[in-house]
Amino acid sequence: ILNVEQSPQSLHVQEGDSTNFTCSFPSSNFYALHWYRWETAKSPEALFVMTLNGDEKKKGRISATLNTKEGYSYLYIKGSQPEDSATYLCASLYSNYQLIWGAGTKLIIKP
Amino acid sequence: DSGVTQTPKHLITATGQRVTLRCSPRSGDLSVYWYQQSLDQGLQFLIQYYNGEERAKGNILERFSAQQFPDLHSELNLSSLELGDSALYFCASSVAGGTADTQYFGPGTRLTVL
Repeated sequence: ILNVEQSPQSLHVQEGDSTNFTCSFPSSNFYALHWYRWETAKSPEALFVMTLNGDEKKKGRISATLNTKEGYSYLYIKGSQPEDSATYLCASLYSNYQLIWGAGTKLIIKP
Repeated sequence: DSGVTQTPKHLITATGQRVTLRCSPRSGDLSVYWYQQSLDQGLQFLIQYYNGEERAKGNILERFSAQQFPDLHSELNLSSLELGDSALYFCASSVAGGTADTQYFGPGTRLTVL
C-alpha cells in the first residue's frame, strides 16, 4: 500500500519567520509530486507540480524542492504572513495513475 | 473561482438512500477526479475519468459508482448510504490527466447522512 507522509502535522509560526515542512513518498514508479494549498472553507489550490529529481519551483515567497531518489520534497515559506495560514497538501503520482495524498501540514501564522 | 462547478452544494439524506453528485469540469479539461474528505481525514482519491473512460481507481466502495458523459461532465452515484458516508466530496479536473497536470478543484458537495 502506497503511503505519503507529511510532517509535521501542524505548525505554529510567528509572522515574519520562515518555515519549511516535509513530504515523504515511496520513490518506486514515481511520476510526479504535487503541492496544494487548502484554506479553511475553500477548495485545494495548486502550488507546484514537480517531476524531475532536483527540481526546484518558486512562487513568490513559497518554494519547493524534490528528491525522487530518496523520496522526499520540502516546501519552504519565507517571511510568513497571516494569509499563509492554511493546510499544505502534497500528493504523489505513480505509474498506474494513482495519486496518493498526504494528510497535510496545518500551518498557523501568529501575528 | 477554479472554473469547476459542483452541484448540489449541500445534500442531506437518510441512511439507505441513493444520491447523485454532479461535476462540470473547466472548459477544455478532459479529465475528472472525485475525492472524499471525511471528518478529520485527508483527501481520499476515489476515481478518475479521462474523456469518458475510467483511468484510475482509488478507495472507492462498491456502493459508489461514477461516470463521465460525452459532454465531459461527471456524476458520482452513492447508494445504500451509511452514516459514515457523510463527507465533503470534491471533484477536480485537469487538461489531460497526465503526470504533470494541475488539478483544479470544485467547491465541493457536503453530504450529510442522517
